[in-house]
Amino acid sequence: GENVEQHPSTLSVQEGDSAVIKCTYSDSASNYFPWYKQELGKGPQLIIDIRSNVGEKKDQRIAVTLNKTAKHFSLHITETQPEDSAVYFCAAEGGADGLTFGKGTHLIIQP
Amino acid sequence: SQTIHQWPATLVQPVGSPLSLECTVEGTSNPNLYWYRQAAGRGLQLLFYSVGIGQISSEVPQNLSASRPQDRQFILSSKKLLLSDSGFYLCAWTAEPNTEAFFGQGTRLTVV
Repeated sequence: GENVEQHPSTLSVQEGDSAVIKCTYSDSASNYFPWYKQELGKGPQLIIDIRSNVGEKKDQRIAVTLNKTAKHFSLHITETQPEDSAVYFCAAEGGADGLTFGKGTHLIIQP
Repeated sequence: SQTIHQWPATLVQPVGSPLSLECTVEGTSNPNLYWYRQAAGRGLQLLFYSVGIGQISSEVPQNLSASRPQDRQFILSSKKLLLSDSGFYLCAWTAEPNTEAFFGQGTRLTVV
């Protein structure tokens, strides 16, 4: 089955700086890679996703890049703001049982 | 629009007591349904998934069970809770496998 590794587990950046979270996956057949944001005490919510026919996707301050050859994908957040503080999860196709998630990154935005 | 409801939001139960967490989805038919557990504020561990009524697949052996009595209802149960069952339980649905997953707000279970 699919295996997803996510790094770092904790990331602290100054407000206004950029944050990058990286994930690798094992199954070369995977074609769907979403990113979720989870605020304290709530369920995760999709913030951006990418499919394997695209190398990069942007939505305002958030972007995701995908390198299928190397089997890794990354989340980029620019001009970070206090409300970006949360836990972020990457995921990849996991076959019939749905998505396989990374272990999460706790992003801390320092004022 | 589609919505997912999960309750209760918090639950404190003694060891050895039964458990029933319910999840319902509105606005869609034949969703794929999932139960996840999240321990220590991180990591989503898939517990059960269902592609249809009465069809349950388990990812890990455990003290829990799941049932899908109706198309848009998914229930997580236990006959006797253990301390190790404490955690944050999340229900989710997808329209198809490997598409966007929509999560409920979660249930914080504390077994004492």
